[in-house]
Amino acid sequence: QKEVEQDPGPLSVPEGAIVSLNCTYSNSAFQYFMWYRQYSRKGPELLMYTYSSGNKEDGRFTAQVDKSSKYISLFIRDSQPSDSATYLCAMSVMYGGSQGNLIFGKGTKLSVKP
Amino acid sequence: EAGVAQSPRYKIIEKRQSVAFWCNPISGHATLYWYQQILGQGPKLLIQFQNNGVVDDSQLPKDRFSAERLKGVDSTLKIQPAKLEDSAVYLCASSSIGLAGRDEQFFGPGTRLTVL
Repeated sequence: QKEVEQDPGPLSVPEGAIVSLNCTYSNSAFQYFMWYRQYSRKGPELLMYTYSSGNKEDGRFTAQVDKSSKYISLFIRDSQPSDSATYLCAMSVMYGGSQGNLIFGKGTKLSVKP
Repeated sequence: EAGVAQSPRYKIIEKRQSVAFWCNPISGHATLYWYQQILGQGPKLLIQFQNNGVVDDSQLPKDRFSAERLKGVDSTLKIQPAKLEDSAVYLCASSSIGLAGRDEQFFGPGTRLTVL
C-alpha cells in the first residue's frame, strides 16, 4: 500500500459545480496536510495548508482533515474554468519540531467546462 | 518577490549522455529541494539542502545523479549517464522555516527532460 493514495481522475465538471477531491493515507504520524495546484507545464503552487485535524476555509476552497479515518479532502465551491488544473495532496510528519519531507499523491486532473 | 528560477525549461538528450539543470531559489531561502516528477505521478524528493549542506539525499540514485549547492544559493543537478527512465520533469523548490515549524515550499516551473 502506498503511503498516500489519490484518484488520478480525470474529473470533469460544469462551471459552478462543487468539486470534491480526496486523498487517503496510511502513515498515522502525518501531521501536516497540504493541497497544491499545478497548471500544465508549471510547478505546483500551495493552495491550502492544515496542521493536524480540522477544517480550513479560504475563499471558495475548504480543506478538511479527518485523522481518525486517515482521509483528507479539498472542496471547491462555484468552480471556474480557471480552476482546471491537477490538484496534488501532500503530507509530512513532524520531525525535530518542524515539518518533515513532503509525500505527494499522484494528483487529480480537474477540468471545469464553461 | 521573484520566484524560483530554473533552466533550461526543456532538454532532449540520448541515453548515456549527460545533462545538468540549474536552479536559483528565492532570495533568503535557506532550504532548497530537487524533485523528480514522472508523468502522471506526484513529485518525489531527490535531495534537500540546508544552506550548502545536504540534509536528505536518501532517494537520490547516487550512481548517476549528483547535486551541489555552492555558497548556499544556486544549485545544479546532474545526471550522468542518463537512462530512458530518467525522462521526467525536474522541479526545484525553496523554503524558509516559519512559525510552528511550517515549511512552505515554493516551486519553480521545472525542467522537462526527455531521454531518447
